[in-house]
Amino acid sequence: QKEVEQDPGPLSVPEGAIVSLNCTYSNSAFQYFMWYRQYSRKGPELLMYTYSSGNKEDGRFTAQVDKSSKYISLFIRDSKPSDSATYLCAMSARGNNRLAFGKGNQVVVIP
Amino acid sequence: GAVVSQHPSWVICKSGTSVKIECRSLDFQATTMFWYRQFPKQSLMLMATSNEGSKATYEQGVEKDKFLINHASLTLSTLTVTSAHPEDSSFYICSAPTGTSGRGEQYFGPGTRLTVT
Repeated sequence: QKEVEQDPGPLSVPEGAIVSLNCTYSNSAFQYFMWYRQYSRKGPELLMYTYSSGNKEDGRFTAQVDKSSKYISLFIRDSKPSDSATYLCAMSARGNNRLAFGKGNQVVVIP
Repeated sequence: GAVVSQHPSWVICKSGTSVKIECRSLDFQATTMFWYRQFPKQSLMLMATSNEGSKATYEQGVEKDKFLINHASLTLSTLTVTSAHPEDSSFYICSAPTGTSGRGEQYFGPGTRLTVT
């Protein structure tokens, strides 16, 4: 079993819809959680960083962490064509800066 | 957020030559930086951990004599691809955590596209 599971299936949504992405993990040592957006031929861009269970909101983005279920989510409200990208979840354990990644979700927002 | 830069953003070199890629944390210090490579439509693959003041730690299967890493200061790590071959053509990305011991955000550079002819 991979440490971090993220269904890589492409996701197409109409503009204005809510995009829902999620990852599960098996290592209970993971304490810090990140979501990145990566456009083609660019480095990943940090969208959200959380370290406690619950919700964190930043503009149109909401990150949700449920440590008891080992499950994290990212929601994008009012999606726009410019949100079309690959979204990666990543996490790290206390005492180790090395990130474990999900495979990434390709999201396409259709105008 | 914090900024990590990479230079060059794109490089073409001939087979057998060496190429150096720089990764800089512009507004924070990083005792650790990470180097990845990424093939089209694939995930990031961690190559090595760059440690300021000590040797880099390489992932299994990564040739340390081919991919030389030097963490020269708290804001600069370099990756040198020695005797490059066409199969080394890839997208190389670095990252740097703002904190230590796992805590804190981690930022990525914009990437360097290497083409070996």
